[in-house]
Amino acid sequence: KQEVTQIPAALSVPEGENLVLNCSFTDSAIYNLQWFRQDPGKGLTSLLLIQSSQREQTSGRLNASLDKSSGRSTLYIAASQPGDSATYLCAVRRISSGSARQLTFGSGTQLTVLP
Amino acid sequence: KAGVTQTPRYLIKTRGQQVTLSCSPISGHRSVSWYQQTPGQGLQFLFEYFSETQRNKGNFPGRFSGRQFSNSRSEMNVSTLELGDSALYLCASSSPARPGLVTYEQYFGPGTRLTVT
Repeated sequence: KQEVTQIPAALSVPEGENLVLNCSFTDSAIYNLQWFRQDPGKGLTSLLLIQSSQREQTSGRLNASLDKSSGRSTLYIAASQPGDSATYLCAVRRISSGSARQLTFGSGTQLTVLP
Repeated sequence: KAGVTQTPRYLIKTRGQQVTLSCSPISGHRSVSWYQQTPGQGLQFLFEYFSETQRNKGNFPGRFSGRQFSNSRSEMNVSTLELGDSALYLCASSSPARPGLVTYEQYFGPGTRLTVT
């Protein structure tokens, strides 16, 4: 059974700092990994998707890496801003017909960027 | 292009009642998945529908059911509500597969906040 862990559970940083959020998963037989952002009481916004054959993806100030063999992914946020404050979730999709679209989520990292 | 929409956004029900939630996927998306989010359990997969057929189901009791219509809109139903069913219910539609590019990237709606009293 796939288990996804995110550390730390909460993080508070001053504005302008670069930061790294961690995600680990137990089963390396994944199809892809997706990072999401969730604002309080809202739905999930997709940030980056990394296919299993890729090592990293970049979008603006965000960079996500994937090391499938070690079961790890990181989300790097450069020059953090107060508007980045949210909960960040990683989710993995297994290689398995019938569950190809099912995501297994981590519990999230709650990020607070202080002005 | 409009995103995933869910109705209603908020709902208050009493124990023992039943509830129906609705989800309209992004235009052209044929797969709809449902997730339950609670503070204690986090995000958990409920079920997935593709072309009106349930493709996959999570570990939830039979009180939780769903269906998908020919226009890809989906509904989920919870019967005999319990206090523990209070949660944010999220719907996601999956990006269409294109030749040479199958990502199954999921796009989520804003959710329906269900409170059971």
